[in-house]
Amino acid sequence: QKEVEQDPGPLSVPEGAIVSLNCTYSNSAFQYFMWYRQYSRKGPELLMYTYSSGNKEDGRFTAQVDKSSKYISLFIRDSQPSDSATYLCASRHYSSASKIIFGSGTRLSIRP
Amino acid sequence: KAGVTQTPRYLIKTRGQQVTLSCSPISGHRSVSWYQQTPGQGLQFLFEYFSETQRNKGNFPGRFSGRQFSNSRSEMNVSTLELGDSALYLCASSLRGLPSSTDTQYFGPGTRLTVL
Repeated sequence: QKEVEQDPGPLSVPEGAIVSLNCTYSNSAFQYFMWYRQYSRKGPELLMYTYSSGNKEDGRFTAQVDKSSKYISLFIRDSQPSDSATYLCASRHYSSASKIIFGSGTRLSIRP
Repeated sequence: KAGVTQTPRYLIKTRGQQVTLSCSPISGHRSVSWYQQTPGQGLQFLFEYFSETQRNKGNFPGRFSGRQFSNSRSEMNVSTLELGDSALYLCASSLRGLPSSTDTQYFGPGTRLTVL
């Protein structure tokens, strides 16, 4: 079993829709949770960074972490065609700052 | 400021050869991490260097090695290449590699390695 599981999709939604992306993780020692966006032929870029449980909002993006159920979510409001990319959830252990464990990524397509 | 740069961007090698990839971090960043990305396994952590010392290591065979120079530039070497080593190799830099929201990892565009 992978430490971070993510539905690979693909996911296709119409422009303006709310997108929900989800991951689960298995390691209780994970304390830091991230969402990355990766466009084709580019490296991942950090979208959201959350420590422990709770919500974090940044513009149209909201990240949620529920440590009791080991569930990570990313919501995108008012989705735009430019949001079309692969989204990767990631976690890292509290003691190993640089070793990030990534989910397999969900390919998202926003239809104009 | 300039982002993370990786050279070369594309590389084709044959089985049994060795390869060296280069990463130049963002100015002032001292932590450099390397990742392998494949369609089957996704993004996997290889190792991290900080102040010229390997600080963390993932679960890859000893054929994968790296080093960091005093200017924080890093190289990754893969010896005795196998077909399964074909992947996108990504480098990421951060200030100190600490678990802080202010110490973000920034990724380079990657080096696409094809092993024939």
